[in-house]
Amino acid sequence: EVQLLQSGGGLVQPGGSLRLYCAASGFTFNNYAMSWVRRAPGKGLEWLSTIGATDGKTYYAASVKGRFAISRDNSKNMLFLQLNNLRSEDTAVYFCARADYSSSDRFDPWGQGDLVTVSS
Amino acid sequence: QSALTQPRSVSGSPGQSVTISCTGTSSETTSYYNYVSWYQQHPGKAPKLVIYDVSKRPPGVPDRFSGSKSGTTASLTISGLQAEDESEYFCCSYAGSYTWVFGGGTNLTVL
Repeated sequence: EVQLLQSGGGLVQPGGSLRLYCAASGFTFNNYAMSWVRRAPGKGLEWLSTIGATDGKTYYAASVKGRFAISRDNSKNMLFLQLNNLRSEDTAVYFCARADYSSSDRFDPWGQGDLVTVSS
Repeated sequence: QSALTQPRSVSGSPGQSVTISCTGTSSETTSYYNYVSWYQQHPGKAPKLVIYDVSKRPPGVPDRFSGSKSGTTASLTISGLQAEDESEYFCCSYAGSYTWVFGGGTNLTVL
Protein backbone atom coordinates (compact mmCIF):
# COMPACT_ATOMS: atom_id res chain seq x y z
CA GLU A 1 0.00 0.00 0.00
CA VAL A 2 1.29 3.42 -0.95
CA GLN A 3 1.58 5.44 2.24
CA LEU A 4 2.97 8.75 3.47
CA LEU A 5 3.38 9.11 7.23
CA GLN A 6 4.06 12.56 8.60
CA SER A 7 5.61 13.78 11.85
CA GLY A 8 7.35 16.79 13.35
CA GLY A 9 4.59 19.34 13.80
CA GLY A 10 3.90 21.23 16.98
CA LEU A 11 3.84 24.60 18.73
CA VAL A 12 6.60 27.07 17.93
CA GLN A 13 7.13 30.73 18.79
CA PRO A 14 7.15 33.44 16.13
CA GLY A 15 10.59 33.60 14.55
CA GLY A 16 11.28 30.01 15.48
CA SER A 17 12.04 26.96 13.36
CA LEU A 18 10.59 23.50 12.90
CA ARG A 19 11.31 20.51 10.67
CA LEU A 20 8.56 18.39 9.19
CA TYR A 21 9.07 14.78 8.16
CA CYS A 22 7.29 12.56 5.65
CA ALA A 23 8.12 8.85 5.50
CA ALA A 24 7.17 7.14 2.24
CA SER A 25 6.43 3.46 1.74
CA GLY A 26 4.81 1.18 -0.81
CA PHE A 27 6.36 2.76 -3.91
CA THR A 28 9.74 3.48 -5.47
CA PHE A 29 10.40 6.80 -3.75
CA ASN A 30 13.19 7.97 -6.04
CA ASN A 31 10.91 7.68 -9.08
CA TYR A 32 8.69 10.53 -7.92
CA ALA A 33 8.83 14.21 -7.18
CA MET A 34 7.37 15.18 -3.82
CA SER A 35 5.52 18.26 -2.62
CA TRP A 36 4.27 20.08 0.45
CA VAL A 37 0.84 21.73 0.66
CA ARG A 38 -0.76 23.46 3.63
CA ARG A 39 -4.17 24.50 4.81
CA ALA A 40 -4.44 27.41 7.21
CA PRO A 41 -7.49 27.77 9.46
CA GLY A 42 -10.41 29.14 7.49
CA LYS A 43 -8.45 29.09 4.26
CA GLY A 44 -8.03 26.77 1.30
CA LEU A 45 -5.18 24.59 0.17
CA GLU A 46 -1.91 26.32 -0.69
CA TRP A 47 0.90 24.66 -2.67
CA LEU A 48 4.22 25.39 -0.96
CA SER A 49 7.08 23.48 -2.54
CA THR A 50 8.11 20.62 -4.80
CA ILE A 51 11.38 18.72 -5.13
CA GLY A 52 12.44 16.63 -8.09
CA ALA A 53 12.84 12.87 -7.84
CA THR A 54 16.61 12.68 -8.24
CA ASP A 55 17.86 15.96 -9.67
CA GLY A 56 17.63 17.90 -6.43
CA LYS A 57 15.76 20.74 -8.11
CA THR A 58 13.46 22.62 -5.77
CA TYR A 59 10.56 24.97 -6.36
CA TYR A 60 8.75 27.26 -3.93
CA ALA A 61 5.70 29.45 -3.62
CA ALA A 62 6.54 33.13 -3.26
CA SER A 63 4.97 33.15 0.21
CA VAL A 64 7.61 30.80 1.63
CA LYS A 65 10.64 31.20 -0.62
CA GLY A 66 13.69 32.03 1.44
CA ARG A 67 12.11 30.83 4.70
CA PHE A 68 11.21 27.21 3.97
CA ALA A 69 13.50 24.53 2.53
CA ILE A 70 12.42 21.23 1.02
CA SER A 71 14.79 18.28 0.89
CA ARG A 72 14.73 14.51 0.61
CA ASP A 73 16.82 11.45 1.45
CA ASN A 74 16.16 8.81 -1.18
CA SER A 75 18.21 6.22 0.73
CA LYS A 76 15.72 6.47 3.59
CA ASN A 77 12.54 7.24 1.61
CA MET A 78 12.16 10.47 3.54
CA LEU A 79 10.93 13.95 2.61
CA PHE A 80 11.60 16.98 4.76
CA LEU A 81 10.41 20.57 5.08
CA GLN A 82 12.49 22.97 7.15
CA LEU A 83 10.40 25.91 8.35
CA ASN A 84 12.38 28.96 9.46
CA ASN A 85 11.48 32.45 10.66
CA LEU A 86 7.94 31.31 11.30
CA ARG A 87 5.07 33.79 11.43
CA SER A 88 1.59 33.50 12.88
CA GLU A 89 0.20 33.22 9.36
CA ASP A 90 2.20 30.01 8.89
CA THR A 91 -0.14 28.30 11.37
CA ALA A 92 -1.68 25.51 9.32
CA VAL A 93 -1.98 21.81 8.74
CA TYR A 94 0.89 20.78 6.47
CA PHE A 95 0.54 17.88 4.05
CA CYS A 96 3.15 16.03 2.06
CA ALA A 97 2.07 14.55 -1.25
CA ARG A 98 3.55 12.49 -4.04
CA ALA A 99 3.75 14.64 -7.16
CA ASP A 100 3.42 13.36 -10.70
CA TYR A 101 4.05 15.95 -13.39
CA SER A 102 5.89 13.86 -15.94
CA SER A 103 3.14 12.13 -17.90
CA SER A 104 0.25 13.73 -16.03
CA ASP A 105 -0.32 16.28 -13.30
CA ARG A 106 -1.54 15.26 -9.86
CA PHE A 107 -0.81 15.09 -6.15
CA ASP A 108 -1.55 11.56 -5.00
CA PRO A 109 -1.51 10.23 -2.36
CA TRP A 110 -1.27 12.64 0.56
CA GLY A 111 0.07 12.26 4.07
CA GLN A 112 -2.28 12.48 7.01
CA GLY A 113 -1.33 16.07 7.78
CA ASP A 114 0.64 17.67 10.59
CA LEU A 115 -0.43 20.73 12.57
CA VAL A 116 2.02 23.58 12.98
CA THR A 117 0.96 26.31 15.40
CA VAL A 118 2.97 29.52 15.52
CA SER A 119 2.15 31.40 18.69
CA SER A 120 3.83 33.02 21.67
CA GLN B 1 -5.99 35.73 -3.67
CA SER B 2 -6.36 32.47 -5.56
CA ALA B 3 -5.82 32.45 -9.31
CA LEU B 4 -8.59 29.84 -9.54
CA THR B 5 -12.14 30.88 -8.61
CA GLN B 6 -14.63 28.39 -7.24
CA PRO B 7 -18.13 28.94 -5.81
CA ARG B 8 -18.06 28.95 -2.00
CA SER B 9 -20.85 26.38 -1.79
CA VAL B 10 -23.15 24.16 -3.84
CA SER B 11 -25.87 21.76 -2.78
CA GLY B 12 -28.02 18.98 -4.14
CA SER B 13 -30.37 16.24 -3.04
CA PRO B 14 -29.45 12.56 -3.03
CA GLY B 15 -29.55 11.16 -6.54
CA GLN B 16 -29.22 14.55 -8.20
CA SER B 17 -26.21 15.92 -10.06
CA VAL B 18 -24.12 18.94 -9.08
CA THR B 19 -21.39 20.75 -10.94
CA ILE B 20 -18.57 22.73 -9.34
CA SER B 21 -16.80 25.27 -11.54
CA CYS B 22 -13.19 26.41 -11.43
CA THR B 23 -12.28 29.49 -13.44
CA GLY B 24 -8.77 30.62 -14.17
CA THR B 25 -8.14 34.28 -13.43
CA SER B 26 -4.58 34.61 -14.69
CA SER B 27 -2.95 33.93 -18.02
CA GLU B 28 -0.51 31.55 -16.36
CA THR B 29 -3.13 29.10 -15.19
CA THR B 30 -5.26 29.26 -18.31
CA SER B 31 -2.20 28.43 -20.40
CA TYR B 32 -1.83 25.14 -18.58
CA TYR B 33 -5.45 24.23 -18.33
CA ASN B 34 -4.92 20.67 -19.53
CA TYR B 35 -3.43 20.09 -16.09
CA VAL B 36 -6.42 20.54 -13.80
CA SER B 37 -6.98 18.18 -10.91
CA TRP B 38 -9.69 17.98 -8.28
CA TYR B 39 -9.41 16.97 -4.62
CA GLN B 40 -12.01 15.98 -2.07
CA GLN B 41 -11.28 16.89 1.54
CA HIS B 42 -13.46 15.78 4.42
CA PRO B 43 -13.06 17.74 7.68
CA GLY B 44 -9.89 16.76 9.52
CA LYS B 45 -8.78 14.42 6.75
CA ALA B 46 -6.17 14.53 4.01
CA PRO B 47 -7.21 15.61 0.52
CA LYS B 48 -8.03 12.80 -1.88
CA LEU B 49 -7.51 12.97 -5.65
CA VAL B 50 -10.78 12.44 -7.53
CA ILE B 51 -9.97 13.81 -11.02
CA TYR B 52 -6.68 14.63 -12.78
CA ASP B 53 -5.67 15.93 -16.22
CA VAL B 54 -9.11 17.58 -16.49
CA SER B 55 -11.14 14.39 -16.89
CA LYS B 56 -9.19 11.30 -15.82
CA ARG B 57 -10.42 9.32 -12.85
CA PRO B 58 -7.97 7.46 -10.55
CA PRO B 59 -8.64 3.82 -9.71
CA GLY B 60 -11.20 3.45 -6.97
CA VAL B 61 -13.00 6.75 -7.60
CA PRO B 62 -16.64 6.09 -8.56
CA ASP B 63 -17.62 6.89 -12.13
CA ARG B 64 -20.18 9.30 -10.66
CA PHE B 65 -17.29 11.75 -10.58
CA SER B 66 -16.39 13.35 -13.90
CA GLY B 67 -14.40 16.33 -15.06
CA SER B 68 -14.48 18.61 -18.07
CA LYS B 69 -13.20 21.92 -19.35
CA SER B 70 -14.57 24.67 -21.54
CA GLY B 71 -12.47 27.71 -22.28
CA THR B 72 -10.95 28.91 -19.04
CA THR B 73 -13.43 27.07 -16.82
CA ALA B 74 -12.92 23.53 -15.56
CA SER B 75 -15.79 21.67 -13.96
CA LEU B 76 -16.30 18.75 -11.61
CA THR B 77 -19.65 16.98 -11.91
CA ILE B 78 -20.92 14.53 -9.35
CA SER B 79 -23.93 12.58 -10.51
CA GLY B 80 -26.19 10.38 -8.40
CA LEU B 81 -25.27 12.32 -5.27
CA GLN B 82 -24.71 10.28 -2.14
CA ALA B 83 -24.47 11.39 1.47
CA GLU B 84 -20.76 10.54 1.59
CA ASP B 85 -20.09 13.02 -1.22
CA GLU B 86 -20.72 15.87 1.23
CA SER B 87 -17.26 17.41 1.52
CA GLU B 88 -15.08 20.27 0.38
CA TYR B 89 -13.67 20.17 -3.15
CA PHE B 90 -10.62 21.97 -4.47
CA CYS B 91 -9.43 22.41 -8.03
CA CYS B 92 -5.74 22.72 -8.80
CA SER B 93 -3.85 23.82 -11.88
CA TYR B 94 -0.24 23.84 -12.95
CA ALA B 95 0.74 27.51 -13.18
CA GLY B 96 4.04 27.27 -15.02
CA SER B 97 7.66 27.27 -13.87
CA TYR B 98 6.99 24.24 -11.65
CA THR B 99 4.42 26.02 -9.50
CA TRP B 100 0.84 25.06 -8.79
CA VAL B 101 -2.24 26.94 -7.61
CA PHE B 102 -5.39 25.74 -5.85
CA GLY B 103 -8.86 27.17 -6.00
CA GLY B 104 -10.45 28.54 -2.85
CA GLY B 105 -12.57 25.43 -2.31
CA THR B 106 -16.27 24.61 -2.61
CA ASN B 107 -18.38 23.13 0.16
CA LEU B 108 -20.81 20.55 -1.18
CA THR B 109 -23.91 19.95 0.93
CA VAL B 110 -26.10 16.93 0.28
CA LEU B 111 -29.58 18.00 1.36
